[in-house]
Amino acid sequence: GQQLNQSPQSMFIQEGEDVSMNCTSSSIFNTWLWYKQDPGEGPVLLIALYKAGELTSNGRLTAQFGITRKDSFLNISASIPSDVGIYFCAGLGANSKLTFGKGITLSVRP
Amino acid sequence: GAGVSQTPSNKVTEKGKYVELRCDPISGHTALYWYRQSLGQGPEFLIYFQGTGAADDSGLPNDRFFAVRPEGSVSTLKIQRTERGDSAVYLCASSLISNDEQFFGPGTRLTVL
Repeated sequence: GQQLNQSPQSMFIQEGEDVSMNCTSSSIFNTWLWYKQDPGEGPVLLIALYKAGELTSNGRLTAQFGITRKDSFLNISASIPSDVGIYFCAGLGANSKLTFGKGITLSVRP
Repeated sequence: GAGVSQTPSNKVTEKGKYVELRCDPISGHTALYWYRQSLGQGPEFLIYFQGTGAADDSGLPNDRFFAVRPEGSVSTLKIQRTERGDSAVYLCASSLISNDEQFFGPGTRLTVL
């Protein structure tokens, strides 16, 4: 099935560093969501974006919904060890279905 | 308040057997979704309920898969004649209304031997 594009597959950063993740799609979405998944758990919603161009923050997380509605990015500032996990972007279409990327595995070195 | 819960957390079965996976959505959420996640992939849509009815079942891979939500709350995903390729994590999500933020349960890890 269709998936959004997230790359690279893995990212390694030092504790305290900022990190940015991008997500692109060939299709337009009305809502973009960012989720974090820990091993053995379901995805946990981090941020939801509803309007093209919207910039939203949630603590150390900032996300933006691209003007074309075909992309989004997520920034994590001042990373900490518990930021380790898999980050998924997801597009919500008019049909209520979420389309996910393959995820980016983030590792944080103390 | 309780989040989405799923049971069992793990299910091991033999090829050809029948399995049922259960999802309890967040109380008051009218929409319920099933997704399947294979290793190294993002979740993929299976079926979506609005109330008691399946609004979209286009993601079900074949007619061995079926899901119900008879009272508009709890849902059961049923897989007949399981195959090894059905092994995956089955995730359930719910949202207050359609086209809204979806909140996921912990998933059921299905292993077909």
